[in-house]
Amino acid sequence: GEDVEQSLFLSVREGDSSVINCTYTDSSSTYLYWYKQEPGAGLQLLTYIFSNMDMKQDQRLTVLLNKKDKHLSLRIADTQTGDSAIYFCAASNYGGSQGNLIFGKGTKLSVKP
Amino acid sequence: SQTIHQWPATLVQPVGSPLSLECTVEGTSNPNLYWYRQAAGRGLQLLFYSVGIGQISSEVPQNLSASRPQDRQFILSSKKLLLSDSGFYLCAWSLLAGNEQFFGPGTRLTVL
Repeated sequence: GEDVEQSLFLSVREGDSSVINCTYTDSSSTYLYWYKQEPGAGLQLLTYIFSNMDMKQDQRLTVLLNKKDKHLSLRIADTQTGDSAIYFCAASNYGGSQGNLIFGKGTKLSVKP
Repeated sequence: SQTIHQWPATLVQPVGSPLSLECTVEGTSNPNLYWYRQAAGRGLQLLFYSVGIGQISSEVPQNLSASRPQDRQFILSSKKLLLSDSGFYLCAWSLLAGNEQFFGPGTRLTVL
């Protein structure tokens, strides 16, 4: 079945760019998502990319997709302290039994002033 | 617009007591509904999902159960809680399988 992997921690300085990486195993995943979770809260959908796209930009967020390597990244430009959170990558899995979205374990982003 | 509610927000229960967590969605019809648990390790564990009233799929054998008595209502239950049931429970909905899921605010459950 589908497996989604992320590094667990990332620390950056305020104003720098953050790049959070994700790999997935099922090449048939049609949609790939990035969610943000702030402490004690639910997950908030940040952005998503369709599998026939290489890049999607939305204000400070840039998503890059390398379908050949099954690699997804989220770049946050001009990272702010308010960006400190856990970021989850998720891949759609239409043929699977796991509720159809497979989540990574999350990357905890710490932004230092 | 669509909104998703969960209650209670926090709950402290003794071992062996029953549990009922409720999730409701507004502003959409016939959503797919999901229950996840997030333990201290932060990853999301899918517990149950439902594609319609009375239709529940269980992903992990455990002492929890789920029910969907109405189109936009999803309930997570237990007859007897275990210490290992402690965690952060998240409800989510989606329009179609594989599409984006929208999450509720979560319920923090502590079993003592």
